[in-house]
Amino acid sequence: EAEVAQSPRYKITEKSQAVAFWCDPISGHATLYWYRQILGQGPELLVQFQDESVVDDSQLPKDRFSAERLKGVDSTLKIQPAELGDSAMYLCASSKTIFRDEQFFGPGTRLTVL
Amino acid sequence: QQQVKQSPQSLIVQKGGIPIINCAYENTAFDYFPWYQQFPGKGPALLIAIRPDVSEKKEGRFTISFNKSAKQFSLHIMDSQPGDSATYFCAASLTNTGNQFYFGTGTSLTVIP
Repeated sequence: EAEVAQSPRYKITEKSQAVAFWCDPISGHATLYWYRQILGQGPELLVQFQDESVVDDSQLPKDRFSAERLKGVDSTLKIQPAELGDSAMYLCASSKTIFRDEQFFGPGTRLTVL
Repeated sequence: QQQVKQSPQSLIVQKGGIPIINCAYENTAFDYFPWYQQFPGKGPALLIAIRPDVSEKKEGRFTISFNKSAKQFSLHIMDSQPGDSATYFCAASLTNTGNQFYFGTGTSLTVIP
């Protein structure tokens, strides 16, 4: 069964360092989402791609976060510099299209900022 | 502003019991309401979903009840098992305008053997 792949699964970093997360969506899925899930809360959308284009990044803290999906397949989410409040699970999801479609989630990257 | 409100925050039932998790939403334009199950250290997995043109959907032991006029929907788990112990999230989306999911805050379910 096809799955969304994410790496690394766990990342520990110090405040002010740069971190990067990688996501490989299910093959053929045009839409890719990055969510942040703080412990004890539901996921919140950070950025949404349709192929290589950003559809929605209104909740992305653009002073320190960036995301790209250069070839419309895999994607990278970067934080620079990391802050203590960035400690969370970062989830990637994909769907076949941007409309009326189930989202499939990856296992996530657990980030701890010390 | 929380688009979807979920309750209770946690729930403990005996094996065989029927836990019920409730969600309420404000935006009447939402047209897709999925429930996700999440085990510790894993990403959420789709459990069951409903669209507002039906009032109930059943898949195996899981049932969604949907009340459009009250803007509420709920998840019922029949004959609950210890393996159902997980965190459950409801969500809502506008599938014709980008499919962004708005998640509830989650319910931690524990099923006691």
